[in-house]
Amino acid sequence: AQSVTQLDSQVPVFEEAPVELRCNYSSSVSVYLFWYVQYPNQGLQLLLKYLSGSTLVKGINGFEAEFNKSQTSFHLRKPSVHISDTAEYFCAVSGGGGTSYGKLTFGQGTILTVHP
Amino acid sequence: GAVVSQHPSWVICKSGTSVKIECRSLDFQATTMFWYRQFPKQSLMLMATSNEGSKATYEQGVEKDKFLINHASLTLSTLTVTSAHPEDSSFYICSAATRQGSYGYTFGSGTRLTVV
Repeated sequence: AQSVTQLDSQVPVFEEAPVELRCNYSSSVSVYLFWYVQYPNQGLQLLLKYLSGSTLVKGINGFEAEFNKSQTSFHLRKPSVHISDTAEYFCAVSGGGGTSYGKLTFGQGTILTVHP
Repeated sequence: GAVVSQHPSWVICKSGTSVKIECRSLDFQATTMFWYRQFPKQSLMLMATSNEGSKATYEQGVEKDKFLINHASLTLSTLTVTSAHPEDSSFYICSAATRQGSYGYTFGSGTRLTVV
């Protein structure tokens, strides 16, 4: 079984400040890790994903995340946020099953609110 | 890139009626699709996994006779909420396993169902 814990339900931050959204996971097998963003009443948009290789992953909109196997973490960071980054962010994990597509397990979500 | 179209975006129906939600992969073949349910201010909960040409696999606690899933072609999966009740009101999101490029999932834009 696998699980995901997003440590902060809400993160308020001022515009142009850096931000980190924290995510920890547990799994008995190797995993693939994802960060998604959701705007109100919309589906999910992929920000970035870790499948293998370099532990520092760069995504869209200036976001990046670092996979830390020893700490079972996959924290999302952005050095300078914009008002438009206000949204809900989900961390997700799936079993790294090669060509098979395992279920995605989502964290509880973190609402990022960027203030002017 | 891979695009998943979900229709309708929102629907209001009377208690006791059935509602069908469609999820189409527009530019790729989706052999595996997932259906999620999201309650307000909560995370996504996987309802079922559907594979083209076979019966869907439902998660524990999901009534398969109430939430009928059909994946008759490589580009279309449907979720039918039968005999809907107000407690079925929720945001439903589909996702397709993306085989183009690297491993990933593409999400539809979601359907807001309100049962009155």
